Amino acid sequence: KAGVTQTPRYLIKTRGQQVTLSCSPISGHRSVSWYQQTPGQGLQFLFEYFSETQRNKGNFPGRFSGRQFSNSRSEMNVSTLELGDSALYLCASSRSGTGNPDTQYFGPGTRLTVL
Amino acid sequence: AQSVTQPDIHITVSEGASLELRCNYSYGATPYLFWYVQSPGQGLQLLLKYFSGDTLVQGIKGFEAEFKRSQSSFNLRKPSVHWSDAAEYFCAVGANAAGNKLTFGGGTRVLVKP
Repeated sequence: KAGVTQTPRYLIKTRGQQVTLSCSPISGHRSVSWYQQTPGQGLQFLFEYFSETQRNKGNFPGRFSGRQFSNSRSEMNVSTLELGDSALYLCASSRSGTGNPDTQYFGPGTRLTVL
Repeated sequence: AQSVTQPDIHITVSEGASLELRCNYSYGATPYLFWYVQSPGQGLQLLLKYFSGDTLVQGIKGFEAEFKRSQSSFNLRKPSVHWSDAAEYFCAVGANAAGNKLTFGGGTRVLVKP
């Protein structure tokens, strides 16, 4: 079974631009979560989508948004990029339909650099 | 809100020696606990998890962890370290009815000496 895939793997943008990252979950998984990883703040939860609905949201500004499609693929968007948005963005998928934590499988991440 | 502390930022261990990584969590109810490993430039791989039941949990790659409610700890252990175990290790906690939102510790980077 294929793992979680994320595209693109690397991205360079300039301040003020916007960016869209994509995540394809493991087949059959309906939950997709996004995390931001930086040297200073570590791993931080952005949001989770389940069956096309946002189920959870972390403490990030409204510039960070996401969505999930009917095939469970998810995208996250960051508008008006700031230097501090440079990070590794990780996507994770899970079967999880119960509302409680379940095993999550992580993708390799998208490395975003903002210049 | 829950929180996770990994007191050791770096640990250096000789190949063949034992390894113990510490994790302390803060959460009012029974937590959902995870250990993940991340190799350079890679995503996170699940080593093991604790949801309920036996407090000693076996994972992949010869790792085990013990949940101690009285100490709010979930320490990770391996009896004999291999050079391939050099990586960064993250402890994470999830909460009941909170979906898959995980709170991660700051991580412990493990270096293995030959």
